[in-house]
Amino acid sequence: AQKVTQAQTEISVVEKEDVTLDCVYETRDTTYYLFWYKQPPSGELVFLIRRNSFDEQNEISGRYSWNFQKSTSSFNFTITASQVVDSAVYFCALRLGGTGGYQKVTFGTGTKLQVIP
Amino acid sequence: DVKVTQSSRYLVKRTGEKVFLECVQDMDHENMFWYRQDPGLGLRLIYFSYDVKMKEKGDIPEGYSVSREKKERFSLILESASTNQTSMYLCASSLTGQVAYEQYFGPGTRLTVT
Repeated sequence: AQKVTQAQTEISVVEKEDVTLDCVYETRDTTYYLFWYKQPPSGELVFLIRRNSFDEQNEISGRYSWNFQKSTSSFNFTITASQVVDSAVYFCALRLGGTGGYQKVTFGTGTKLQVIP
Repeated sequence: DVKVTQSSRYLVKRTGEKVFLECVQDMDHENMFWYRQDPGLGLRLIYFSYDVKMKEKGDIPEGYSVSREKKERFSLILESASTNQTSMYLCASSLTGQVAYEQYFGPGTRLTVT
């Protein structure tokens, strides 16, 4: 069975602070994919990043960075110099590899980030 | 620009009514999904379709059915709405293939059953 845990339900930060959103996953498979999605108040989830289990290289995209560590089964997301537009619910998700049939995507329960001006 | 649209943003129905939620994507994606989003529970998969007229049950299919007559359209049907089906419903689509492609989501339909 696969599982994704986002222990932080809600986080509030003041604008320009850095913030890290935690994601811990569980799977016995060696091939899997991890995702982060952003859900702004408008409601539409937006894809941010995908990582496969063979690529542990950290990634940076502007103010966003992701730290993938297989040793701790974590895929954490850091926003540097947060802005009000970053206020949203962020979901971490896990999908197993393989091409036979449908591979289920398991979502975490989400972390609501509020950036206070 | 990729697009997934849902027929309604807000819907209020009475207990026992038959409810149709429509989803259309313009990206020629093979896969389409219906999720339900509730506070503290994240997204839970109701049904999934990988081709026209093909469907698979997700984690919580009870009380729901789906229809996919055309590739671009995926409908969720509540045969007899109940108050515990009050929720946010999200439709998504994705490509299929060797890689785990990301999903594209619609804006959601907030359904209230009274």
